[in-house]
Amino acid sequence: DGGITQSPKYLFRKEGQNVTLSCEQNLNHDAMYWYRQDPGQGLRLIYYSQIVNDFQKGDIAEGYSVSREKKESFPLTVTSAQKNPTAFYLCASRADRALLNEQFFGPGTRLTVL
Amino acid sequence: AQSVTQLDSHVSVSEGTPVLLRCNYSSSYSPSLFWYVQHPNKGLQLLLKYTSAATLVKGINGFEAEFKKSETSFHLTKPSAHMSDAAEYFCVVTNNNNDMRFGAGTRLTVKP
Repeated sequence: DGGITQSPKYLFRKEGQNVTLSCEQNLNHDAMYWYRQDPGQGLRLIYYSQIVNDFQKGDIAEGYSVSREKKESFPLTVTSAQKNPTAFYLCASRADRALLNEQFFGPGTRLTVL
Repeated sequence: AQSVTQLDSHVSVSEGTPVLLRCNYSSSYSPSLFWYVQHPNKGLQLLLKYTSAATLVKGINGFEAEFKKSETSFHLTKPSAHMSDAAEYFCVVTNNNNDMRFGAGTRLTVKP
């Protein structure tokens, strides 16, 4: 069963702690993306990666970091430098860098800072 | 530069009546446009997409949208709403694979 998985579904963090959100896809997609969603707002791009060992900043990269060591995995670390990390985080992937294909989304991780 | 505006933050309809969710876009180049649906605490699911082929696009679950270049619009419609259509809907514009611009979303409520 192909798809994108994100874990955990819910995550709680104390202020000052780093936390890593997992995103895995078995769709053999080249490109992967991380978005942040806040209530009443659309999705905002944090980071994206078009190929293994390469990634670029999106609109709101400050306080976040990523890695892309494997094609199927694109973890996101929310660092203590992110001032307002409580949000719903969505990972997505896309099949082909050259074509305007749609993105496929995971189920999301809800991060709450206590 | 590109952007998208969803004209209604909340739409409420009765079951069995038509649905209209409005979206206007701005793009310097010929855009691709998408509609996604999101149920509570879930990821986004693609409803339909326009990529410069037919201007009337049919999607899943009976939804369709019409690309109108002269009006820079891509409104989403469905002839008859079901209770299961209650969700958040996002209009998205892009002319670059890695620069997808999301609207703020429209919450659809379906009354029995």
